[in-house]
Amino acid sequence: AQSVTQLDSHVSVSEGTPVLLRCNYSSSYSPSLFWYVQHPNKGLQLLLKYTSAATLVKGINGFEAEFKKSETSFHLTKPSAHMSDAAEYFCVVTRTGGGNKLTFGTGTQLKVEL
Amino acid sequence: EAGVTQFPSHSVIEKGQTVTLRCDPISGHDNLYWYRRVMGKEIKFLLHFVKESKQDESGMPNNRFLAERTGGTYSTLKVQPAELEDSGVYFCASSQGLTVYYGYTFGSGTRLTVV
Repeated sequence: AQSVTQLDSHVSVSEGTPVLLRCNYSSSYSPSLFWYVQHPNKGLQLLLKYTSAATLVKGINGFEAEFKKSETSFHLTKPSAHMSDAAEYFCVVTRTGGGNKLTFGTGTQLKVEL
Repeated sequence: EAGVTQFPSHSVIEKGQTVTLRCDPISGHDNLYWYRRVMGKEIKFLLHFVKESKQDESGMPNNRFLAERTGGTYSTLKVQPAELEDSGVYFCASSQGLTVYYGYTFGSGTRLTVV
């Protein structure tokens, strides 16, 4: 069994300040973890993924996430927010090496203010 | 390359009617998935095709939902008869291979409203 908890449903930051979106996971198996982003009226876009290689994962648009097994966390960060980062972000878990079913968190809405 | 295409983008139907959603995956992607997001809830898996075969349909909510993928290309998801609780956004995704290595490419979704 696996599950994901996104700790904040809404996050608001000022442009140019750091972004932190928090995600905790639970998995009976060795997990692979992803962050997806959805901009309004767009599909879900893959930001980054962890698949049991390096624990610090770099993604597109300056985002990165760190897999911490001891804390069962996979928080998403970005040093400096841009207006175009405003979107909904999803933390996702699946089983490494087998099975293709993704388990999504409930999403975090990121608002970026001037 | 063209992305995953879903249509219609929006559909409003009355309770008891039938609706068919269509998904065109990326050409050459054998794996096709359907997911659904009901208002206020998380995105949930519905089913997975490998070519024309249903690999996993454990997420299908009930027998009012019928998914097909004839010929292993596009897929349809039919809801008959639709109920109010079927309202939500239906996402389709396709993948070249195992998700953990290739990831999914998602479509923009079909927003279904049952009134």
